[in-house]
Amino acid sequence: QVQLVQSGAEVKKPGASVKVSCKASGYTFTGYYMHWVRQAPGQGLEWMGWINPNSGGTKYAQKFQGRVTMTRDTSISTAYMELSRLRSDDTAVYYCARVEDGFPSGWFDPWGQGTLVSVSS
Amino acid sequence: DIQMTQSPSSLSASVGDRVTITCRASQGISNSLAWYHQKPGQVPKLLIYAASTLQSGVPSRFSGSGSGTDFTLTIRNLQPEDVATYYCQKYDSAPFTFGPGTKVDVK
Repeated sequence: QVQLVQSGAEVKKPGASVKVSCKASGYTFTGYYMHWVRQAPGQGLEWMGWINPNSGGTKYAQKFQGRVTMTRDTSISTAYMELSRLRSDDTAVYYCARVEDGFPSGWFDPWGQGTLVSVSS
Repeated sequence: DIQMTQSPSSLSASVGDRVTITCRASQGISNSLAWYHQKPGQVPKLLIYAASTLQSGVPSRFSGSGSGTDFTLTIRNLQPEDVATYYCQKYDSAPFTFGPGTKVDVK
């Protein structure tokens, strides 16, 4: 079955960077766009951007431009999201989510289990 | 950017009730709208896509309607396991904005 498994929780200091991984299985990794969404504690869902695993092309939400980098390693069917210059308000659960149909636009299913990133001095 | 709003922000209903949640886009998005619910401590789960298409495996008591700017999620015969926060999301083009969520509780 289609499955996305993310890396474990991270604790970082302000100003540092974090790189979260999302390993895909059960389908052709390069055939489906991957999105990243985050959720601060007690808050709603915030879209961060997408990566085309085939070409490596990306599109980021304006809020994260210049701080986020999405990459992939097709040899191990894994997508990555790196966020730099971390601040305390970056503390959140970060999710990867696949889009159907091989286009960037579409509904998100499935989702990874989430990775908690805590930023604290 | 297109903004997404939801109402109400929270509601409490009894088992067996019919519950309606509204989602509004600030500009037309055709039927490019999805609904998710997120149970406490869990990952968001897709319920409905294309405004009214039920995702496989989702109980038929869930239904969606609407097009353009106004959308509705209806839960018929509310069950205790439906306690969750419900989010709408536009997915026509970036940014793929989510609504602020509607918290559903069972009395």
